Amino acid sequence: AQKVTQAQTEISVVEKEDVTLDCVYETRDTTYYLFWYKQPPSGELVFLIRRNSFDEQNEISGRYSWNFQKSTSSFNFTITASQVVDSAVYFCALSPWVSGGSNYKLTFGKGTLLTVNP
Amino acid sequence: KAGVTQTPRYLIKTRGQQVTLSCSPISGHRSVSWYQQTPGQGLQFLFEYFSETQRNKGNFPGRFSGRQFSNSRSEMNVSTLELGDSALYLCASSLDGGLAKLFFGSGTQLSVL
Repeated sequence: AQKVTQAQTEISVVEKEDVTLDCVYETRDTTYYLFWYKQPPSGELVFLIRRNSFDEQNEISGRYSWNFQKSTSSFNFTITASQVVDSAVYFCALSPWVSGGSNYKLTFGKGTLLTVNP
Repeated sequence: KAGVTQTPRYLIKTRGQQVTLSCSPISGHRSVSWYQQTPGQGLQFLFEYFSETQRNKGNFPGRFSGRQFSNSRSEMNVSTLELGDSALYLCASSLDGGLAKLFFGSGTQLSVL
């Protein structure tokens, strides 16, 4: 069974602070994918990143960066110089990979509500 | 390019009734999946359709069903509604399922009284 744990339920920061959202996962699969999604107040989830289990390189995209560590089963997300527009619920998710056929069955964490105050 | 469209945006039903939710995927996307979001359980996978066939199913009772039409539009049906079915139902589309990027709609907020 898969499990994703986001221990931080809510985080509140002041604009321009850096903030890291934690994600720890459990899976028995050797091949899997990890995701981060953002859910603003409007409701729709917005894809941020996908990373496969073979790629442990950190990634940076603008103010966003991700730290994937297989040894600790963690996939943390850092926002540098946070802005008010970053306020949203952030979800970490995990999906197994199976050759052939559909392999899309995301298991989401409970989410972290990030509030960035001006 | 239009995004994923879900209708209606809000719905109020009473226990025992049934409900049908609609999802129009992004043009060209053949995979549609459905998720239920509640404060207690979070986001849970319901099922995924590809080319009118259900390929994947989550752990939900048979009261939850869906279908996909030849134009990739999908509907989700919940029969004999229970109070616990109150949730935000999100639809997501992708080009071919697999592990392609998912595009989500804004959801249908269902309240069961």
